[in-house]
Amino acid sequence: GAVVSQHPSRVICKSGTSVKIECRSLDFQATTMFWYRQFPKQSLMLMATSNEGSKATYEQGVEKDKFLINHASLTLSTLTVTSAHPEDSSFYICSASPRAGGPGEQFFGPGTRLTVL
Amino acid sequence: SQQGEEDPQALSIQEGENATMNCSYKTSINNLQWYRQNSGRGLVHLILIRSNEREKHSGRLRVTLDTSKKSSSLLITASRAADTASYFCATLYQAGTALIFGKGTTLSVSS
Repeated sequence: GAVVSQHPSRVICKSGTSVKIECRSLDFQATTMFWYRQFPKQSLMLMATSNEGSKATYEQGVEKDKFLINHASLTLSTLTVTSAHPEDSSFYICSASPRAGGPGEQFFGPGTRLTVL
Repeated sequence: SQQGEEDPQALSIQEGENATMNCSYKTSINNLQWYRQNSGRGLVHLILIRSNEREKHSGRLRVTLDTSKKSSSLLITASRAADTASYFCATLYQAGTALIFGKGTTLSVSS
């Protein structure tokens, strides 16, 4: 089956530092990758949609200069949280849509738990 | 926000009972999916129902879709303690490419 990995699974950082999260599709090519954020006891909120080789499309209220997304290849997307603050502490989940997938077919990574001290 | 609503927000039942969760959404969809998430973990895809389908089964799961009411329900029959988790519906809107998640129902099954 299609597998999406995320690295790291957990990260703790100091306020003001930047953190990079990787999302990889291991056995398929992903034309589109999505980044979600989930605060405790809440649902997943879509942050941005990225297509390989083009700029990401951010949802309303998500700062593109704070959450840098790079989708440099068909198997890798990265999310960099710049100048992280405690309010950025959250569970970040990526998903990937296969090139030949059906509508809404997304495979989710296991998530990255970010804690900003 | 396009995010849909789910009810109930929390549901507590005994093993062997059935659990029903409902999801409402806002605009025309291509399909609707249900996911499960154990505490602090990733998502598990349960079932997908297309906009032209009304009911779908998978093991102990039964999903219905009423596009006229813009709602869906997930029924888990003969629940088990291992079914304890949060359940989310996610919709693919006709004009979108990403799944939009509902607020979720937290199910607790006690033995």
